[in-house]
Amino acid sequence: KQEVTQIPAALSVPEGENLVLNCSFTDSAIYNLQWFRQDPGKGLTSLLLIQSSQREQTSGRLNASLDKSSGRSTLYIAASQPGDSATYLCAVGASGSRLTFGEGTQLTVNP
Amino acid sequence: GAVVSQHPSWVICKSGTSVKIECRSLDFQATTMFWYRQFPKQSLMLMATSNEGSKATYEQGVEKDKFLINHASLTLSTLTVTSAHPEDSSFYICSAYGPNTNEKLFFGSGTQLSVL
Repeated sequence: KQEVTQIPAALSVPEGENLVLNCSFTDSAIYNLQWFRQDPGKGLTSLLLIQSSQREQTSGRLNASLDKSSGRSTLYIAASQPGDSATYLCAVGASGSRLTFGEGTQLTVNP
Repeated sequence: GAVVSQHPSWVICKSGTSVKIECRSLDFQATTMFWYRQFPKQSLMLMATSNEGSKATYEQGVEKDKFLINHASLTLSTLTVTSAHPEDSSFYICSAYGPNTNEKLFFGSGTQLSVL
């Protein structure tokens, strides 16, 4: 059974700082890996999708890497802003788009 | 990107009543929809997978007679929580994908259910 762990559970940084969120998974036979953002009481917004054959994806200030053999992914956020404050979820995809989610990292960016 | 509309966004009901939550794909055909439950400060847990026109597949430990899922069209799936109890209070989220979503899942905005 796939298990996904995210570290840290919570992170508070000053505005402008670069930061890294970590995700690890136990079964390396994955189809893809996605990073999502969730605002309080809201649904999920997909940030980046990395296929199992890829090593990284970039979108604006976000960069996600994938090391399937070691079961790890990182989400790098450059020049953080208060609007980046949210919970970030890592989800590992199996066939049929079934996702296993981590418990998330709650990020607070202080002005 | 594709849009998934979930309704209602919140609902309060009395214990023993049933509640229906709707999930609609507005601009794409959703051949598959997923229903998740999320307790406070916990991650999303998959409850069931529904394919259009077929019976839903439930995850282990999820009571299919309590959480009725219908996916009768390519744009609508419903989750009915029957005989709701306080322990069913949770945040329920749907997601959907189809042949034209490039393998991406699109999520509804969620429904906060509170059972008194």
